[in-house]
Amino acid sequence: DTAVSQTPKYLVTQMGNDKSIKCEQNLGHDTMYWYKQDSKKFLKIMFSYNNKELIINETVPNRFSPKSPDKAHLNLHINSLELGDSAVYFCASSQARRGHNEQFFGPGTRLTVL
Amino acid sequence: DQQVKQNSPSLSVQEGRISILNCDYTNSMFDYFLWYKKYPAEGPTFLISISSIKDKNEDGRFTVFLNKSAKHLSLHIVPSQPGDSAVYFCAASVSGTASKLTFGTGTRLQVTL
Repeated sequence: DTAVSQTPKYLVTQMGNDKSIKCEQNLGHDTMYWYKQDSKKFLKIMFSYNNKELIINETVPNRFSPKSPDKAHLNLHINSLELGDSAVYFCASSQARRGHNEQFFGPGTRLTVL
Repeated sequence: DQQVKQNSPSLSVQEGRISILNCDYTNSMFDYFLWYKKYPAEGPTFLISISSIKDKNEDGRFTVFLNKSAKHLSLHIVPSQPGDSAVYFCAASVSGTASKLTFGTGTRLQVTL
């Protein structure tokens, strides 16, 4: 049983294109996240949704737009792709509760912009 | 400004011995800490966590120690096994619902036979 799944696993596209990455979790969690791992392997938060409401929006270009149709899904749409967007994008989920913050990650989507 | 640092990019340990991975943080607001393990082409897998109200948490072969005054935590793996070879990330967060994780840059552990 896959807890947090992402599609596609690999995405190769040209500069200027628009693409989407989908994420689904079957853990019953109420919070979902997008992280970006850059070429230096540094994992950094991009967005977080709690019960379909955006609660974390780090300094990310507005070409990136997350959408949460329901608690189990958080998609990431990227407009006008640039070379610097090449990275691995990880989706994660957690059950928000005080004193705990264990997040569970998907397998990642490797985006390559040519 | 990197608030969570793992100063050793790599570590090699013999099978059966102890592996000690270190992590330092600068933000005194952090009060919840986690360790993740990551294999190539996979997502990070949660290993063990510790709240700032504790100084030690143990789960099987994995123990995390927290020294709040030094802003330092460590992960001990005893005994180390070849399957432990992976990249280990330290992460920290501030209490509150749905807080973000701030990650270190990772330490690649290789357990040799």
